[in-house]
Amino acid sequence: GENVEQHPSTLSVQEGDSAVIKCTYSDSASNYFPWYKQELGKGPQLIIDIRSNVGEKKDQRIAVTLNKTAKHFSLHITETQPEDSAVYFCAASNTDKLIFGTGTRLQVFP
Amino acid sequence: DAGVIQSPRHEVTEMGQEVTLRCKPISGHNSLFWYRQTMMRGLELLIYFNNNVPIDDSGMPEDRFSAKMPNASFSTLKIQPSEPRDSAVYFCASSLARPGDSFGSGTRLTVV
Repeated sequence: GENVEQHPSTLSVQEGDSAVIKCTYSDSASNYFPWYKQELGKGPQLIIDIRSNVGEKKDQRIAVTLNKTAKHFSLHITETQPEDSAVYFCAASNTDKLIFGTGTRLQVFP
Repeated sequence: DAGVIQSPRHEVTEMGQEVTLRCKPISGHNSLFWYRQTMMRGLELLIYFNNNVPIDDSGMPEDRFSAKMPNASFSTLKIQPSEPRDSAVYFCASSLARPGDSFGSGTRLTVV
């Protein structure tokens, strides 16, 4: 079955710097790769996703890249703000069944 | 839109008791997912429904867990009897075109 690894587990950056979170997946049949932001006491919130027929997608300060050959995908957050502090999860699927990474706790210091 | 609504937000129960978690998906969404989140195992899919029909329940840990979706606007996850290792946050999510579109705020279950 699918296995998703996520790194780093924690990430601290200064406000205004960029943050990058990386994931790898094992199942070459996976074709959908969403990213979620989870704040304390809340459910995961879908922030951006990418499908395997696209290499990059951008939405304001966040972007996701996908390398199908290497089975890597990454989340990039530019101009980070304190409100970006949260736990971020990647996921992968080729059906309706999402397999999640273990999460990255991002802290943005003012 | 009120989003996915889960109840209760918190549940504390004694070992051996029956626990029922409830979920109201977003109107118009045709898929509903139940997830469990723990520190040790992260986010795990327990079961999902499509058009009220269970499609994949391979993530349900054991027979003590059961889920139903009697109509498009309501689903329950039941644990009977509950055990301390069932303590976790349980999330319900619904979607129309992609899995895990909208998550609820979760139910934090503590079994003592």
